[in-house]
Amino acid sequence: NAGVMQNPRHLVRRRGQEARLRCSPMKGHSHVYWYRQLPEEGLKFMVYLQKENIIDESGMPKERFSAEFPKEGPSILRIQQVVRGDSAAYFCASSPPGFRRAGELFFGEGSRLTVL
Amino acid sequence: AQSVAQPEDQVNVAEGNPLTVKCTYSVSGNPYLFWYVQYPNRGLQFLLKYITGDNLVKGSYGFEAEFNKSQTSFHLKKPSALVSDSALYFCAVREESSGAGSYQLTFGKGTKLSVIP
Repeated sequence: NAGVMQNPRHLVRRRGQEARLRCSPMKGHSHVYWYRQLPEEGLKFMVYLQKENIIDESGMPKERFSAEFPKEGPSILRIQQVVRGDSAAYFCASSPPGFRRAGELFFGEGSRLTVL
Repeated sequence: AQSVAQPEDQVNVAEGNPLTVKCTYSVSGNPYLFWYVQYPNRGLQFLLKYITGDNLVKGSYGFEAEFNKSQTSFHLKKPSALVSDSALYFCAVREESSGAGSYQLTFGKGTKLSVIP
């Protein structure tokens, strides 16, 4: 029973390039969340998606960042024209629908982005 | 707005001694509270949660946490610490009133637990 799968685990980009991070949720999970962890800080919510729908993107920077969760395939977090401040660990989490398990997120191993 | 405070950046405890990692929260309505653990270069692993019911919640690896509504706290505890418990621990909160459509969790900054042999 595979967990949340994220790739790549490590990504190095130069300033101005694009970064694409992928996340496949656990089997049976229809909710995907992206969080960002900066050094010495906790996790900050970015976006919550269901298939083909962005439900809550209140944590996403207004520019350069976008996310999608298509009908087929993984969820993708896309960062255009990366800057050094984008260097962080990006975590994807998923959860099943249902009240009793509300909020119990299952996290992937993270994608660590380094911008040179 | 919801928030979580973990007042200690680091907690050191001797192996075999009891440990406590502190967490306080702030929400408008009823809280859903969670503890996660993160090992180096890994993702977060769920430890336990409080949704409703008994204030003392038992979770994975012998950890437990006590919900205290009057003190708005949800401290993580373990009777006897192991060296393998050394990791980064995160407390998180969500409001019940967020509704079924949003599971946004707000995390604390984390507390680094070091268990000394």
